[in-house]
Amino acid sequence: NAGVMQNPRHLVRRRGQEARLRCSPMKGHSHVYWYRQLPEEGLKFMVYLQKENIIDESGMPKERFSAEFPKEGPSILRIQQVVRGDSAAYFCASSPPSTTPTQYFGPGTRLLVL
Amino acid sequence: LAKTTQPISMDSYEGQEVNITCSHNNIATNDYITWYQQFPSQGPRFIIQGYKTKVTNEVASLFIPADRKSSTLSLPRVSLSDTAVYYCLVGDRTNAGKSTFGDGTTLTVKP
Repeated sequence: NAGVMQNPRHLVRRRGQEARLRCSPMKGHSHVYWYRQLPEEGLKFMVYLQKENIIDESGMPKERFSAEFPKEGPSILRIQQVVRGDSAAYFCASSPPSTTPTQYFGPGTRLLVL
Repeated sequence: LAKTTQPISMDSYEGQEVNITCSHNNIATNDYITWYQQFPSQGPRFIIQGYKTKVTNEVASLFIPADRKSSTLSLPRVSLSDTAVYYCLVGDRTNAGKSTFGDGTTLTVKP
C-alpha cells in the first residue's frame, strides 16, 4: 500500500506566480489535511477536507490560498500570486474513515518563492 | 483544544531508554493522544496512539495515567537514528488536524 504522495517535491516560483501542490492520499483514505511548516518551526494546520467537501479551513489565510479534494484525483492546494513569505514546506496528511485521529503524512513540497 | 506542553530538548546516549512526557491538562473525554516523529526535511511519522493506560507497539510504549492529564512516550534502547523531533498531539477526529504541532521535543542521541 503506497503511502501519501505529494508532488512536486520542490517548487520554485517567482513573486506573483501561482503554485499548485498535489496530494494523493493513501488508498482507502477519505480525509486529507494540509499543513505548513516554516523553517525551525512546528507544523501549522491549514485545512481539513473530505471528498468534495471542505470540513475546516480555519487555518487557511483568507486571501490567495484555496484547497480542494475532488471526487476523482488528488487534493490540490493552490496559492495565487505567491509572495516570499509563502516559502515553506507544505505537508499533506491523510486518514482513513475511522473514529481515531491518526494521520499519515506525505514527504512534503518545499516551495521557494524568489 | 487541549494545549500540550513538552520539553524543548533532551539528550541521551545510545542504548538508553528515553522517556518524553507531554502535559495536556485540558484533555477532553473524546480526545486521543498521538505521538509523531519528524526527521529534517521529512514529513512527520506516526509512532503511537492511545486513549488510556498503556499502549505498546514495535517501536515505543505510551503510558497514560488514569487522569489522562499527561502522557509519556518511552523509547527503549535508543540509537543514533532516533535523533529527531517528537510531537505530542491531543484531539479527536474532528479537531486533531487543528492541533498545532508546537515546537515538539528535539531528542539528540549521542554515541
